[in-house]
Amino acid sequence: GEEVAQTPKHLVRGEGQKAKLYCAPIKGHSYVFWYQQVLKNEFKFLISFQNENVFDETGMPKERFSAKCLPNSPCSLEIQATKLEDSAVYFCASSQSPLGEQYFGPGTRLTVT
Amino acid sequence: SQQGEEDPQALSIQEGENATMNCSYKTSINNLQWYRQNSGRGLVHLILIRSNEREKHSGRLRVTLDTSKKSSSLLITASRAADTASYFCATDAGDYKLSFGAGTTVTVRA
Repeated sequence: GEEVAQTPKHLVRGEGQKAKLYCAPIKGHSYVFWYQQVLKNEFKFLISFQNENVFDETGMPKERFSAKCLPNSPCSLEIQATKLEDSAVYFCASSQSPLGEQYFGPGTRLTVT
Repeated sequence: SQQGEEDPQALSIQEGENATMNCSYKTSINNLQWYRQNSGRGLVHLILIRSNEREKHSGRLRVTLDTSKKSSSLLITASRAADTASYFCATDAGDYKLSFGAGTTVTVRA
C-alpha cells in the first residue's frame, strides 16, 4: 500500500498480559522501524529491520519485547508480561533507505492497567 | 537517549505571522529531518537537510543547518490554522536510526 498501516489503533491490557502490535510497511520499502512515544514527547527508537532481518535492536528492552518481520506478513512487535510503564503510543515507520525520510503509521495506543 | 533539544517548547502565534523554532544536537550527523505531528496522529515528514547543506526550502518552510554550532532552525512563513501541530527535529548520526528532540508545540490563533 501507499501508507504505513498499523493495527490495532487502541489496545488495553492488564498488567502482566501480552500485547501484540502489527505494522504493514509501504510496498517496496525495505526498512521498518519501531518507535515508542510516551506522553506526547520523546520518541524512543526500539528496533529496525531490513526486510526480514534485524538491522538494529539496540533500543529494545530484550527481556519482554520481541519483534519480527516475516515475508508476506505484517511486521509485529510483541510485549510479554506488560508493565504500567509500557503504556505509550507505538509507531511504525518504513523507508527505502536507512538514511532517508521515514514514513510513519498512525500508531497503536497501548494502555496497560 | 535523545540527541536533540528543541526551543521553544511551545509557541503561540497569530495567523499570518511567521513561526521559528530551533533544534540543537550533540554529535556529528549525516542529516537532520523535521517532522510534524498533528494531535493524536503519526509523524509527517517535512524536510531533510544533509550535513553539507546550509539551507533548504519547501513551500512555506525554510530550514537552516549550522553544523559548527550543531543547530538547526525551522521557519514557517505566513502561518495558517492548519499549521497547529507539534514539530520535531530528528538527527541521523550515521547509526541508521533517528534520534528525536522533545518537540515544539505550535498553536496558530485565527
